[in-house]
Amino acid sequence: DVKVTQSSRYLVKRTGEKVFLECVQDMDHENMFWYRQDPGLGLRLIYFSYDVKMKEKGDIPEGYSVSREKKERFSLILESASTNQTSMYLCASSQETGGYEQYFGPGTRLTVT
Amino acid sequence: GQNIDQPTEMTATEGAIVQINCTYQTSGFNGLFWYQQHAGEAPTFLSYNVLDGLEEKGRFSSFLSRSKGYSYLLLKELQMKDSASYLCAVQGGATNKLIFGTGTLLAVQP
Repeated sequence: DVKVTQSSRYLVKRTGEKVFLECVQDMDHENMFWYRQDPGLGLRLIYFSYDVKMKEKGDIPEGYSVSREKKERFSLILESASTNQTSMYLCASSQETGGYEQYFGPGTRLTVT
Repeated sequence: GQNIDQPTEMTATEGAIVQINCTYQTSGFNGLFWYQQHAGEAPTFLSYNVLDGLEEKGRFSSFLSRSKGYSYLLLKELQMKDSASYLCAVQGGATNKLIFGTGTLLAVQP
């Protein structure tokens, strides 16, 4: 069974802290993605990766960075958390880029105070 | 620019049929996806259309017209468990990334 896991379901951090969100997939997928989901704005792509050590900016990369040292693991890093980064963060993976569905993890609800 | 429009909310009755529309304007088109998302859960894949026409999968069907930039998701024999958000997403551009609509919240009433 396909599985994407995220390190935490809920996380509370303080403004200015460095935050790491981890995502692991067990499907040997090439592609991995980080989204944030906010009411009225839908899912927005932050960063994605087509291969190990490769990364591409999505639509809203400001304030975030990513790391993909191993094929199965994709990390999202908030260098200095701010209150406007309070959101639901969803990780996804897909086999290839064209015509293949993305499988989503359960999400991490991050609150920055 | 890139834009995907779908109704914010819809209400339907158990056992009925409901159609959720999605219109899009994107730079490049490599396919359209529909996802279902229950409250507090991850989106799950429902359907994929890349050619014009209807794709049927059990109680769910999805239609695409590329010339009109239009798709719909048809849900038949509605059940209470179909109450969820339905997300339309278009894949396109050089990187084939997905652009999501804001989702349609469907409430199924007894």
